[in-house]
Amino acid sequence: GDSVTQMEGPVTLSEEAFLTINCTYTATGYPSLFWYVQYPGEGLQLLLKATKADDKGSNKGFEATYRKETTSFHLEKGSVQVSDSAVYFCALRETSGSRLTFGEGTQLTVNP
Amino acid sequence: GAVVSQHPSWVICKSGTSVKIECRSLDFQATTMFWYRQFPKQSLMLMATSNEGSKATYEQGVEKDKFLINHASLTLSTLTVTSAHPEDSSFYICSATPGHQTYEQYFGPGTRLTVT
Repeated sequence: GDSVTQMEGPVTLSEEAFLTINCTYTATGYPSLFWYVQYPGEGLQLLLKATKADDKGSNKGFEATYRKETTSFHLEKGSVQVSDSAVYFCALRETSGSRLTFGEGTQLTVNP
Repeated sequence: GAVVSQHPSWVICKSGTSVKIECRSLDFQATTMFWYRQFPKQSLMLMATSNEGSKATYEQGVEKDKFLINHASLTLSTLTVTSAHPEDSSFYICSATPGHQTYEQYFGPGTRLTVT
């Protein structure tokens, strides 16, 4: 079945550091890929998405590129802020239907 | 657009009682709603999928008699935790999808349930 694997956390960075959170997936078809962010005590917010190979999703300075050859969708940001501290979830959705498969989540803490 | 609300945002109940959590799509009609459970520092676990007007489909290992799901309208789904026990304490999150034009899931803010 489908699965998503994220790099183990937690990740702690200083403000303005470069961020990479790795995400790889296993799927039978051609899934859509997502990054969601969860702030403490809240639900999930869609951060960015990509629906086909080589697509780049971007939002709020975050980027991720759909790499079919490496089955990856790594999240990057050039300069993190304290306000980026949250849990980040990578997820996929198969081409048919709306069911999401989530990775384990990566806790990011950014210190001033 | 695409706002999903949950009520209550947090609830404390005594062991043995039942608790109902509401999930509403505020500005769209949701053909499908999902219920997730999240333990501290863990990922979301899908509990069930509900389509308006039909019975919910539960994931393996989820007790359908304990977690009653009703999707009576295109904007409302409810999750009732029956005869709650302390091990049911968790963060419950719903999501909704329009289904017809898009399969995007829009998430509610979550409900923190504590059973004492």
